[in-house]
Parts: sequence; structure tokens; C-alpha cells
Amino acid sequence: GAVVSQHPSWVICKSGTSVKIECRSLDFQATTMFWYRQFPKQSLMLMATSNEGSKATYEQGVEKDKFLINHASLTLSTLTVTSAHPEDSSFYICSDHSGQSTDTQYFGPGTRLTVL
Amino acid sequence: QKEVEQNSGPLSVPEGAIASLNCTYSDRVSQSFFWYRQYSGKSPELIMSIYSNGDKEDGRFTAQLNKASQYVSLLIRDSQPSDSATYLCAVNSGGYQKVTFGTGTKLQVIP
Repeated sequence: GAVVSQHPSWVICKSGTSVKIECRSLDFQATTMFWYRQFPKQSLMLMATSNEGSKATYEQGVEKDKFLINHASLTLSTLTVTSAHPEDSSFYICSDHSGQSTDTQYFGPGTRLTVL
Repeated sequence: QKEVEQNSGPLSVPEGAIASLNCTYSDRVSQSFFWYRQYSGKSPELIMSIYSNGDKEDGRFTAQLNKASQYVSLLIRDSQPSDSATYLCAVNSGGYQKVTFGTGTKLQVIP
């Protein structure tokens, strides 16, 4: 399967600061990547779809000005949580897919964000 | 709204037994079906994918798909304590290549 990396694996920041999370597709060029958020004991919730060279598509209820997504290359998508608050503390996971009709998604290891 | 439903569990089985995990989905045009395993504090990892009716076996895992009844299941034979995790069912209805996840079933394998 595809190999996806994320950096950092965990981050602690103060309220009001911005945090950038990187997601890299290591073994193929991903034109589309997905960003998910998972709160404790809850399921994955899709936040946005990151499209290389164009604007991201956000799910309903996700603030695009707060969660900035940039997909400047075929191997890198970034999610920036701007003016983070304690309620943004969560597990953020990115994924890419195989690019084949089988639509298989492979997840990165995730980034644990804690906002104090 | 497309829905994927799973029993949250926990499902407890003794070591060596067969664990049966079930999932139902609402969108009849769904085409691709996936089972992911997620350990606590980790991201999901793909276990199996299935696309056509019937059974698909991979080692101790067997996925079963019944499109007429709109359910997909995962059987784990010879369950091991290391299988204890949350199992997520995911369904893709095609088109935008975006899957819908169930809330997951927590499996506990008792030594």
C-alpha cells in the first residue's frame, strides 16, 4: 500500500498560535489528499479534500479560514490550524489514495495537537 | 445522507475464537468497501478491501459482502489479544473517491 508520513507526530501550543502539519505521500504522486480529525472515542471526521494546484474543498461546518490547506506539490499537503484554541485539540490524520479505481485510502500516522 | 452503521461494542471474544464484525450501509450505489483497524492513539491501517458480493479471504481475515442486503462483515479467525482494537468499516459510493466511515466496533480478545 501507499506510504504516507506526517510531521510532527505531536505538538503542544499555546492558545492563539498557529500550527502547521505536513502530510507527505512518499511513494507516488498524490493529486488528492484528505484531512481528517478525530476526537477521543469518536470516529474519523473528514475535514477537507486537498487538491494539488487548486483550492481545497471543505466539508460543511469546517472553517476554511481557520484550517488552511495548501497542496503545492504532488507529494506534500499542509494543514495550518490558525489561532488555535483548546477545542481544536484533536488527532489530525491525512490520507492519500491509490489513484486507482479501487479508491483505497492510506493514512498517515497522525498528529496529536494539544492547545493549552 | 450516506450512512455507515456499526455496533460500537465492545465485542469480547476469547482468544482463539472467531470474531464477527458487522456493518450496514445506506447508499445502494456503494461500490467499494474497506475494513480498517485502529489501535488506541494510532491512525487506521487498512486490513481488507472488497468490491464484489461474496467472501474474500486474507490470512485469518475474511470479508463478506452482500450488496442486496447492504451489509459487509469481517470475520477474524483464531483471534489473538493483538487483534484487540477498533475496527472501522468504510464505504465509497464512487465518483469523488471519498469514503464514509462508520463509528467503529471495539474488539476485545480475552487471553
